[in-house]
Amino acid sequence: QKEVEQDPGPLSVPEGAIVSLNCTYSNSAFQYFMWYRQYSRKGPELLMYTYSSGNKEDGRFTAQVDKSSKYISLFIRDSQPSDSATYLCAMKPHGNNRLAFGKGNQVVVIP
Amino acid sequence: EAGVAQSPRYKIIEKRQSVAFWCNPISGHATLYWYQQILGQGPKLLIQFQNNGVVDDSQLPKDRFSAERLKGVDSTLKIQPAKLEDSAVYLCASSLRQGEDEQFFGPGTRLTVL
Repeated sequence: QKEVEQDPGPLSVPEGAIVSLNCTYSNSAFQYFMWYRQYSRKGPELLMYTYSSGNKEDGRFTAQVDKSSKYISLFIRDSQPSDSATYLCAMKPHGNNRLAFGKGNQVVVIP
Repeated sequence: EAGVAQSPRYKIIEKRQSVAFWCNPISGHATLYWYQQILGQGPKLLIQFQNNGVVDDSQLPKDRFSAERLKGVDSTLKIQPAKLEDSAVYLCASSLRQGEDEQFFGPGTRLTVL
C-alpha cells in the first residue's frame, strides 16, 4: 500500500463549477497536509497548508483534513479556466521534512 | 524575490551517458531538496541538504546518482551512467530552514534517456 493515494484520473468541469479533490493516506504519523498546484512545465507551488484535522479556507479554496479517516480534500469554488492545472496532495510527519506526495489530479476547467 | 533557478531546462541523452543538473536556491535559504518526478507521479525526494551537509539521502540511488552543495548555496545533481528509467523531471526546491514548512520549487529539468 502506498503511503498516499490520489486517484490521478483527469477531471474536466465547466467554468463556475465546484472542483472536489481528495487523497487518502496510511501513515498515522502525518501531521502536516498540503495541496500543491502544478501548471504544465512548471514546478509545484504551495496552495494550501493545514496542520492536523480541520478546515481551512482561502478565497475560493477550502482544504479539509479528517485524520480519523485518514482523508484530505480540496474544494475549488467558482472554478476558472486559470485553475486548470495538476493538483498534488502532500503530507509529512512532525519533525521530518520529507514530503510524501500523491500522484496528482489533472483538472481542466472549460470556459 | 527571485525564485529557484535550474538549468538546463531540457536534456536528452543516451543510456549509459552521464548528465548533471544545476540548482540555485532562493537567496538565504539554508535547506535544499532534489526531487525526481516521473510522468504521472508525484515528486519523490532524492536528497535534502541543510547548508552544505546531507540531511536525508535515503532514497538516492547512490550507485549512479550523486549530489553536492559545496558552499551551501548552489547544488549539482549528477547521474552516471543514466538508465532509461531515469527519464523524469528533476525538481530542485528550497526552504528558509529545516522544519520550515513551505518548500519553493524551481521549474525543473526534463531529462529524456534514449
